Amino acid sequence: DAMVIQNPRYQVTQFGKPVTLSCSQTLNHNVMYWYQQKSSQAPKLLFHYYDKDFNNEADTPDNFQSRRPNTSFCFLDIRSPGLGDAAMYLCATSGRRETQYFGPGTRLLVL
Amino acid sequence: GESVGLHLPTLSVQEGDNSIINCAYSNSASDYFIWYKQESGKGPQFIIDIRSNMDKRQGQRVTVLLNKTVKHLSLQIAATQPGDSAVYFCAETTFPNDYKLSFGAGTTVTVRA
Repeated sequence: DAMVIQNPRYQVTQFGKPVTLSCSQTLNHNVMYWYQQKSSQAPKLLFHYYDKDFNNEADTPDNFQSRRPNTSFCFLDIRSPGLGDAAMYLCATSGRRETQYFGPGTRLLVL
Repeated sequence: GESVGLHLPTLSVQEGDNSIINCAYSNSASDYFIWYKQESGKGPQFIIDIRSNMDKRQGQRVTVLLNKTVKHLSLQIAATQPGDSAVYFCAETTFPNDYKLSFGAGTTVTVRA
């Protein structure tokens, strides 16, 4: 049974056209994370929600925003995607001090 | 078995052999360590974890060893199978920022038939 679900699995967008990626979880975990992963690299944390508290990483571009309307769902909004934003976007969840569980990822292609 | 003394980005293993993947960390205050497996086109999958008050933990075909003296972590896979081909990442957290994973560079394991 899928515990962290990401939709869509593949997303194609045009340069500058806003895009939203979604993540849902059935684990009832407090913390939800968004990572960016480019090929052959480790995942890079963009931001996370600790319950309703949003925590942005210092080097995350303003172009990336997030929303968490409830415990189960979290969204990643890319306001004006550039070619450099093409990557795999990973959602993860964890309890307060526990292992992070990752979703399958959304592969974003920017044309 | 085949082992990597220092971290190398790739490891080629004969099917059936044991493999060892190494990871060094720099923060002596790190207190929780995780190994993830990431297959091509998929998200990282939890394999095994270990806390800093332990030096060894075993799972199914996998063992994690922690040497705090030299800040070194290793993952041993017994009887490596083709399905073990993937990128393996170590990650660690440090209290009180234990929400945040610090990932190692990753090792690509290729299993030869």
